Amino acid sequence: DTGVSQDPRHKITKRGQNVTFRCDPISEHNRLYWYRQTLGQGPEFLTYFQNEAQLEKSRLLSDRFSAERPKGSFSTLEIQRTEQGDSAMYLCASSLYGGDPYNEQFFGPGTRLTVL
Amino acid sequence: KQEVTQIPAALSVPEGENLVLNCSFTDSAIYNLQWFRQDPGKGLTSLLLIQSSQREQTSGRLNASLDKSSGRSTLYIAASQPGDSATYLCAALNNYGQNFVFGPGTRLSVLP
Repeated sequence: DTGVSQDPRHKITKRGQNVTFRCDPISEHNRLYWYRQTLGQGPEFLTYFQNEAQLEKSRLLSDRFSAERPKGSFSTLEIQRTEQGDSAMYLCASSLYGGDPYNEQFFGPGTRLTVL
Repeated sequence: KQEVTQIPAALSVPEGENLVLNCSFTDSAIYNLQWFRQDPGKGLTSLLLIQSSQREQTSGRLNASLDKSSGRSTLYIAASQPGDSATYLCAALNNYGQNFVFGPGTRLSVLP
């Protein structure tokens, strides 16, 4: 078990460009979460999947954001037409729904996005 | 809507002290509460998870308690060490909805 991995670890882009992040969860975990964290704040929920189904999206997830989890394995988070306000750490977590302890989350190292 | 707060925002203690970090939540209908540690620029490391039916959990020098009726959880760190320096976050999972709500964290510095 290698834990949750995220790629890339750092991304610098110019305003208006599109970016895509990848998350590979712990292999037996059926839930996958995306969060955004800005400096000095706790993570804010963006969306989560159970297997391949996207079950909940936060109001923070504007139309420029889209997430997928094809085949219920890895997930991608795409941001279109990036804005400077999108600069943040994007965190992915996975959990086993129905496991013991119930829904304990394990986080990846994050992708730090800087929009110039 | 669940809101989670943490007090204090920052704490500095000399090595060897015992300390308590506080987490408060507004909606007592939680399923579990999880404590995390975050080092600067890194992801979150799970420390302890307390399910709603439990009162406390222990791991090594860490002990977390949960009082749903008062909307509080505490993380007790015994015999603090410089390596404990990090930001500590709590997160509540509600009975309804299935996403965690995080507090802003407590930044801990343990001085040698």
